[in-house]
Amino acid sequence: QSALTQPASVSGSPGQSITISCTGTSSDVGSYDLVSWYQQHPGKAPKVIIYEVNKRPSGVSNRFAGSKSGNTASLTISGLQAEDEADYYCCSYAGHNTVLFGGGTKLTVL
Amino acid sequence: EVQVAEAGGGLIQPGGSLRLSCAASGFTVSLNYMSWVRQAPGKGLEWVSIISSSGSTHYADSVRGRFTISRDTAKNTLYLQMNSLRAEDTAVYYCARDRSGWGNYMDVWGKGTTVTVSS
Repeated sequence: QSALTQPASVSGSPGQSITISCTGTSSDVGSYDLVSWYQQHPGKAPKVIIYEVNKRPSGVSNRFAGSKSGNTASLTISGLQAEDEADYYCCSYAGHNTVLFGGGTKLTVL
Repeated sequence: EVQVAEAGGGLIQPGGSLRLSCAASGFTVSLNYMSWVRQAPGKGLEWVSIISSSGSTHYADSVRGRFTISRDTAKNTLYLQMNSLRAEDTAVYYCARDRSGWGNYMDVWGKGTTVTVSS
């Protein structure tokens, strides 16, 4: 199974909104609402920011929002802040007892 | 405080074996799904293995047959036995509590332990 497809990089200015896509197939993203998003700052462990497509863990800013349409999931970050600069990974259950991550997207806050 | 701490990484020759451990505190390993996730140098995250609360185990194709996930209830510790190691297994290995299973809500992560497979 191949990794989920994410853009390698996205950028935005402070205060703007950006969206990161995560494209899978009908066997993974398209079949299950088990899509999550992880934020990873350099040298740090990942942190879950969205789970089950659009749910936010306690303590995660409501500037982060998740959605899904067909085989593509999306993460939208509104009101960009400097601290949002990080790598972002989508993750989906892929059936047959396996999990797939996306290749990761580097967000640069200009 | 809810946390996990990995240990056991190091430099190992190709074909060798290594056992990673993940000590948990603040929650019970055996009552949760627990996953191992790795990250090769400069690369993205890769799911490796999961053990459910019932004890069923599952693996990524890349490690199936070589890696074994297990847990010790008394020690509240998760393990990853890695055999027949290859250069491509070189990575930082993280353990994580997987609240709803299947990578969907991994909410507690350790700092990771580094495995380097090289001669």
